[in-house]
Amino acid sequence: AQTVTQSQPEMSVQEAETVTLSCTYDTSENNYYLFWYKQPPSRQMILVIRQEAYKQQNATENRFSVNFQKAAKSFSLKISDSQLGDTAMYFCAFMKPWPGSQGNLIFGKGTKLSVKP
Amino acid sequence: GAVVSQHPSRVICKSGTSVKIECRSLDFQATTMFWYRQFPKQSLMLMATSNEGSKATYEQGVEKDKFLINHASLTLSTLTVTSAHPEDSSFYICSARSPGVGTQYFGPGTRLLVL
Repeated sequence: AQTVTQSQPEMSVQEAETVTLSCTYDTSENNYYLFWYKQPPSRQMILVIRQEAYKQQNATENRFSVNFQKAAKSFSLKISDSQLGDTAMYFCAFMKPWPGSQGNLIFGKGTKLSVKP
Repeated sequence: GAVVSQHPSRVICKSGTSVKIECRSLDFQATTMFWYRQFPKQSLMLMATSNEGSKATYEQGVEKDKFLINHASLTLSTLTVTSAHPEDSSFYICSARSPGVGTQYFGPGTRLLVL
């Protein structure tokens, strides 16, 4: 069974600085997808970034980028130029490709990020 | 990004009553939707997977007779909490799987309080 581990329950960063959130996972699959979702105080889950395991290039979305190390089963999220609106709970998630599975997400326990002015 | 709506956003009901929560994918067709429950300061717990036109698949420990799921169309899934009790009070979130890769997009959640 797949597992996702986020070892940092809480982190804080000063506004405009850079922060990296860690995520490791365990799977015997060769093809899969990895996601980072954020959940701000409103509790709306928002997709931040997606990475396909077959792609060697790290995904980027504006200020958000990942460091995907497939052999090490590591998938960290880097937030550059942190903004107050980045304050949220961040969840790392694993998904087996669909079809072939139900496409359900395996979530980590989350990292609470606070951006300080 | 894709939009998923969820209604109601908040509901308060008396113990013993039933509550229906709707989840709609507004700009794509979703053959599969998911229902989660989230306790305070915890991660999302998958309750069931809802496939259009067929019976839902429930996770171990989730009572299918208590949490009724109907996925009657490609854009609508409903979760009915039957004979709700205070221990059912929680935050319920739905998601819809998009075509292609199958990325899940989430609704805004429903806060249920059973008195």
